[in-house]
Amino acid sequence: QVQLQESGPGLVKPSGTLSLTCAVSGGSISSSNWWSWVRQAPGKGLEWIGEIYHSGSTNYNPSLKNRVTISIDKSKNLFSLKLNSVTAADTAIYYCASIAVAVGIDYWGQGTLVTVSS
Amino acid sequence: QSVLTQPPSVSGAPGQRVTISCTGSSSNIGADYGVHWYQLLPGTAPRLLIYGNTNRPSGVPDRFSGSKSGASASLAITGLQAEDEADYYCQSYDSRLSGWVFGGGTKLTVL
Repeated sequence: QVQLQESGPGLVKPSGTLSLTCAVSGGSISSSNWWSWVRQAPGKGLEWIGEIYHSGSTNYNPSLKNRVTISIDKSKNLFSLKLNSVTAADTAIYYCASIAVAVGIDYWGQGTLVTVSS
Repeated sequence: QSVLTQPPSVSGAPGQRVTISCTGSSSNIGADYGVHWYQLLPGTAPRLLIYGNTNRPSGVPDRFSGSKSGASASLAITGLQAEDEADYYCQSYDSRLSGWVFGGGTKLTVL
């Protein structure tokens, strides 16, 4: 059973960079899954941020593409999210997730609340 | 404005059947990309309910079922229980956006 755990600061200043890490356990990050980030702003729906494959190939939500970088560290079995130039609109629960082709998101982290505020 | 359209809310009495629709377009559901459904309970991680339009992961009760027709999909819940009160989201892939898209979510209230 794959388990995902997000970690990172819960508070980020406006115009700063949001940085989160997702540790993968119970499975290899070099499997055939894509490793993804999804967020949910307060009172809003789910929003896909982007994903990375173990090869390093990435796909990003066009609305966030200019501000997002997702990277992977196979030696540590983890992947990371960086979102720069954040504003209050980036305040959300951030989930890391595993996407299996034709299955969707089969594993989710518990989510971590990131607040953008001075 | 979400790419996939869901009703904001649905409700039903215990034991009843409810359906939640998810309407897309020719670049996602209509392009034959699979539709997946998730249940979000407050304070917990989302749970995969249905994948590939109609398939249930192990552990999901058969009270939950999915269907798809054209550019739309539906989630049906029969024998409603109080524990089903949650938010439900559909998801698919969109070729125009080259990425995953979600519906806006539907809040299910068990009366």
